Amino acid sequence: NAGVTQTPKFQVLKTGQSMTLQCAQDMNHEYMSWYRQDPGMGLRLIHYSVGAGITDQGEVPNGYNVSRSTTEDFPLRLLSAAPSQTSVYFCASSFSGRRDSPLHFGNGTRLTVT
Amino acid sequence: KNQVEQSPQSLIILEGKNCTLQCNYTVSPFSNLRWYKQDTGRGPVSLTIMTFSENTKSNGRYTATLDADTKQSSLHITASQLSDSASYICVVSAGNQGGKLIFGQGTELSVKP
Repeated sequence: NAGVTQTPKFQVLKTGQSMTLQCAQDMNHEYMSWYRQDPGMGLRLIHYSVGAGITDQGEVPNGYNVSRSTTEDFPLRLLSAAPSQTSVYFCASSFSGRRDSPLHFGNGTRLTVT
Repeated sequence: KNQVEQSPQSLIILEGKNCTLQCNYTVSPFSNLRWYKQDTGRGPVSLTIMTFSENTKSNGRYTATLDADTKQSSLHITASQLSDSASYICVVSAGNQGGKLIFGQGTELSVKP
């Protein structure tokens, strides 16, 4: 029972490099989302998707792109990495249409941009 | 402004003792309140979800309470274990904006033997 799987677990980038953080879930959840977690701050929503082919911005979307071609996968792309994007990134999923549906999180990708 | 404030920021207790974590929120309209446990190096895991009409919900040794009038919630941990050492995050879902989630900063709990 894999749940939400994120890869890689750790990544170091140089300023200006690009990369894709992978997220896959096997629970047939319609809703998927990306958060970043920084010290002293609550989790902040980057982008989310309510189904295949549908994405929308969260509160901190600048510098990130997403796409949702399948129900299972929701990759997050960093276009040109900046030191301010050093953070721990979490992917989460849940059933849509039910406001009491819990979010299921992956175990995160720790990204360092030098 | 929608906010979720948690206290204390950190807490150290001895194994076997009880503790209570606090969460105050200013989110309006309110949909539900969630507590998550986050072990070091792992993603958050859901403990409880409470709607407006629920004032207590338990999950094993974890009991959450909600006072929607005062906009306060607490998470009580009974007979703490070393494995309870983690960050506990309070999350409030707004009743509009598509159920937007507002996260607290978390309380770091350390249980010592």
